[in-house]
Amino acid sequence: DAKTTQPPSMDCAEGRAANLPCNHSTISGNEYVYWYRQIHSQGPQYIIHGLKNNETNEMASLIITEDRKSSTLILPHATLRDTAVYYCIVRENYGGATNKLIFGTGTLLAVQP
Amino acid sequence: EPEVTQTPSHQVTQMGQEVILRCVPISNHLYFYWYRQILGQKVEFLVSFYNNEISEKSEIFDDQFSVERPDGSNFTLKIRSTKLEDSAMYFCASSQIPQGDTQYFGPGTRLTVL
Repeated sequence: DAKTTQPPSMDCAEGRAANLPCNHSTISGNEYVYWYRQIHSQGPQYIIHGLKNNETNEMASLIITEDRKSSTLILPHATLRDTAVYYCIVRENYGGATNKLIFGTGTLLAVQP
Repeated sequence: EPEVTQTPSHQVTQMGQEVILRCVPISNHLYFYWYRQILGQKVEFLVSFYNNEISEKSEIFDDQFSVERPDGSNFTLKIRSTKLEDSAMYFCASSQIPQGDTQYFGPGTRLTVL
């Protein structure tokens, strides 16, 4: 089972920031937080990942709380094309026991015009 | 930007037939995966493959399934005798290094078993 909890759906107005929360209260020290998204039935698209520091790339920012029990994915200026299911996934990195990604049900983000 | 490609995009087959789904991972990647997603359900891990052998497989990946890297570029998933419940989107993914690297997914093959 997925080790994360996300709201099933969220709305966001076009042009505004979308803030998607994720709870991962049982995360362990060597586990990273990954975010993917899936538009319609396309393949999951990697967005960003982090361990404990906040991360930013051209797609999004990832804010991880100091206790690492939750995180927020921020899309700074949401567009209609950002409408998708967003998955928060916790996994070990570099030497972990397993490499598989365990997907939950994610958050369906609907960007409204 | 390099990407994972998959063929065909849609495969229709009769129950009991064999199907082969093909994937071309990103060229310098060494670790390969198959996932599937039944309509309306979660994305599920099937198998991972490294150095010409299976590294890990799920309970879904039974004797009906096999994977192969027949040449330096392709990575295939074979289903020997398809069942109705095999109808799903099948996604190939690859990562650069053997463990723990970011996985990049292909667009998927929609398999329909009639």
